Amino acid sequence: TQLLEQSPQFLSIQEGENLTVYCNSSSVFSSLQWYRQEPGEGPVLLVTVVTGGEVKKLKRLTFQFGDARKDSSLHITAAQPGDTGLYLCAGARGQNFVFGPGTRLSVLP
Amino acid sequence: NAGVMQNPRHLVRRRGQEARLRCSPMKGHSHVYWYRQLPEEGLKFMVYLQKENIIDESGMPKERFSAEFPKEGPSILRIQQVVRGDSAAYFCASSPGAPNLNSPLHFGNGTRLTVT
Repeated sequence: TQLLEQSPQFLSIQEGENLTVYCNSSSVFSSLQWYRQEPGEGPVLLVTVVTGGEVKKLKRLTFQFGDARKDSSLHITAAQPGDTGLYLCAGARGQNFVFGPGTRLSVLP
Repeated sequence: NAGVMQNPRHLVRRRGQEARLRCSPMKGHSHVYWYRQLPEEGLKFMVYLQKENIIDESGMPKERFSAEFPKEGPSILRIQQVVRGDSAAYFCASSPGAPNLNSPLHFGNGTRLTVT
């Protein structure tokens, strides 16, 4: 059983479209992190959300942390081919970080 | 300003051989994590170490797998008597402190292990 669920599992869209991916849990997390992983490389941290209801913007990416701190979303505006990758959410759990299974995004030119 | 360094990038082993994966954390980081990733899947936690101590090894199989982070030198993930099911990408990450929002993970580019 996954502690963190992510949806959709796969997403393929055209350049210029908007999209939202989700990270959900039945557990409360003190913070959640979003990473992006490109083929052949390790994940790279995009953002950490801490406060329930918090919204953070990173250029065309908008991250939101749910009020109950059990879920988070990532919205991308006007997606570009460079946004292609595996988007992972992660939360601190005890003595380690647990990761969701990821959303694999493909943005077609 | 070197990031997390993992070597080798690719490792091929025959069934029954040993695999040794190395990870040098970022400068100033004393916390190291090992994760395993299968194709089309997310990251599965294996083990969390601080210098000379294993803090959490709940994700690491009890047979054939071991990890260390000595006082000097890189962290080593060791897999003895490898089997085909061990084929995966193994990622190392480091952080300056214990898991919390002020200590995000910095990942290396992984070691891709192929067992033939």
